[in-house]
Amino acid sequence: DAKTTQPNSMESNEEEPVHLPCNHSTISGTDYIHWYRQLPSQGPEYVIHGLTSNVNNRMASLAIAEDRKSSTLILHRATLRDAAVYYCILLYSGNTPLVFGKGTRLSVIA
Amino acid sequence: DTGVSQDPRHKITKRGQNVTFRCDPISEHNRLYWYRQTLGQGPEFLTYFQNEAQLEKSRLLSDRFSAERPKGSFSTLEIQRTEQGDSAMYLCASSLGLGVGGRETQYFGPGTRLLVL
Repeated sequence: DAKTTQPNSMESNEEEPVHLPCNHSTISGTDYIHWYRQLPSQGPEYVIHGLTSNVNNRMASLAIAEDRKSSTLILHRATLRDAAVYYCILLYSGNTPLVFGKGTRLSVIA
Repeated sequence: DTGVSQDPRHKITKRGQNVTFRCDPISEHNRLYWYRQTLGQGPEFLTYFQNEAQLEKSRLLSDRFSAERPKGSFSTLEIQRTEQGDSAMYLCASSLGLGVGGRETQYFGPGTRLLVL
């Protein structure tokens, strides 16, 4: 399984943008980059995914480096409800179970 | 509520007892996954089904663990002769499974928290 590397924790002030980095230097051409988050005492929740181009949805934006060896999840205005563990996961077409690392624990300060 | 549901939400049992957890996926989803999560770790994949067929079970932690999805709808995960090390959150997820592979989105239930005394 392709591996990802994320910082253990990050902190943000409320209503400020947050950039959560993920390194995946061994990514292959068919790996999609997925982000899930897990709020306290809940199951993981899908956030966004992409292959090569940057992606936007109502929750976040995903910026993918040109060489695809890294990506950044962008929360445009962090709220207290965004405090969670964020997981960056590589998923390829031949294997659909998700392989979670330890993720990044995001704290949001009011 | 049309999301993934799991029952029970919490289970306390004594070592050596058998436990069974149920997962009801989103109704049109044909793939169903089981994961286990211990404190401070990300979820760990256990097994998954495409309709009623169990496509991957080599990641089940031991032969004490088994899962079924008899009619391709709900699924059960059973742990026999529980041990204290089985204490964890057991998560279920479902997806459409249309063969889109890397683009697939999984929807998770709230989990069943197991405590083995």
